[in-house]
Amino acid sequence: NAGVMQNPRHLVRRRGQEARLRCSPMKGHSHVYWYRQLPEEGLKFMVYLQKENIIDESGMPKERFSAEFPKEGPSILRIQQVVRGDSAAYFCASSPRSGGNQETQYFGPGTRLLVL
Amino acid sequence: EDKVVQSPLSLVVHEGDTVTLNCSYEVTNFRSLLWYKQEKKAPTFLFMLTSSGIEKKSGRLSSILDKKELFSILNITATQTGDSAIYLCARAGGTSYGKLTFGQGTILTVHP
Repeated sequence: NAGVMQNPRHLVRRRGQEARLRCSPMKGHSHVYWYRQLPEEGLKFMVYLQKENIIDESGMPKERFSAEFPKEGPSILRIQQVVRGDSAAYFCASSPRSGGNQETQYFGPGTRLLVL
Repeated sequence: EDKVVQSPLSLVVHEGDTVTLNCSYEVTNFRSLLWYKQEKKAPTFLFMLTSSGIEKKSGRLSSILDKKELFSILNITATQTGDSAIYLCARAGGTSYGKLTFGQGTILTVHP
């Protein structure tokens, strides 16, 4: 049973370009979460999605950031017009649809974004 | 805002020592408390605690939750160099059902 998959693992962008980060949840998981870890800081929640629905985006910056989890395919975190302050590790996590472990989130390896 | 505070922020010990890591949280809509270990990559799940006073164990690691005093501890006995990592505490619930609010982490370094 493969874990949470993220790609790319490393991404380098120049200021003003777009970054697309992809996440495939664990098999059987239908809840996806995105977190950002800035250098020397803890993990910060960004967004919580289920298939075709954004459940909670309270941690998403108001501009330039968007997320989706389509019916088919991976979840995508999209950052438009990147700035140097977007450089961070972006982690995706997933959890089961129901059951006693519904709140246990399993993390992917992260995408390390570097904006030049 | 939901808040999770971990202490100490960093800890240096020698192999064989026992360590206790602390995590305190705010109570609003508490659902569960989770511990993760983060080395150079993804945080890996250790424990989820929902009930007060019930210890969870996995090998040399154990954890317990005190819902009255709003804290949890993670114990590691007979530490090994492979235990060196950042240990993260997170609470589920608060202002949003699906959101985990993380503490800043405890950096544990175990010397041979």
